Amino acid sequence: SQTIHQWPATLVQPVGSPLSLECTVEGTSNPNLYWYRQAAGRGLQLLFYSVGIGQISSEVPQNLSASRPQDRQFILSSKKLLLSDSGFYLCAWSATGRSYEQYFGPGTRLTVT
Amino acid sequence: SQKIEQNSEALNIQEGKTATLTCNYTNYSPAYLQWYRQDPGRGPVFLLLIRENEKEKRKERLKVTFDTTLKQSLFHITASQPADSATYLCALRGYSTLTFGKGTMLLVSP
Repeated sequence: SQTIHQWPATLVQPVGSPLSLECTVEGTSNPNLYWYRQAAGRGLQLLFYSVGIGQISSEVPQNLSASRPQDRQFILSSKKLLLSDSGFYLCAWSATGRSYEQYFGPGTRLTVT
Repeated sequence: SQKIEQNSEALNIQEGKTATLTCNYTNYSPAYLQWYRQDPGRGPVFLLLIRENEKEKRKERLKVTFDTTLKQSLFHITASQPADSATYLCALRGYSTLTFGKGTMLLVSP
């Protein structure tokens, strides 16, 4: 069966510090991968998605970037965090060639102070 | 612009009753619609997918309807239980990816 991992679970970072969140998927090949952010009381905002290694699409301009160095690894990064980057970050995957159901990781709660 | 609307007010019902949640959308012509459940501090969990040519779909105590003329989906939980308390999100495929509604919180009291 497929599983998705995210780490860390929680993170407190000062403004201006770098960020690296990692997501890995097991039990499937060539998944579509997604990064979402969910701010308090708000909906899921799609940040990036990837249909293959090195292929990244950005949905909104922002202070963040994403990379997919391996088939089942998706990384969210920032060089300098802003207060507005605080939120709940979720990684998700869906099967190749389909945008049907997505399966989410446990999330990372990021607080920028 | 494309919009997905779910009732932002929490729905409070008593255990054993049927909960009905609504998802309305504009400027979409979706081939399918999905429902997810999200518990506090957790990622959403996929529940059901209904296609445009399906009027109704059931899974255990869950039932989803999809009216492409009204541009609306209804999500029903029959014989609701306190464990059903969560936020329920609907999602539609946009140009290339899913777009989620903000969700409706359901609170089932014993």
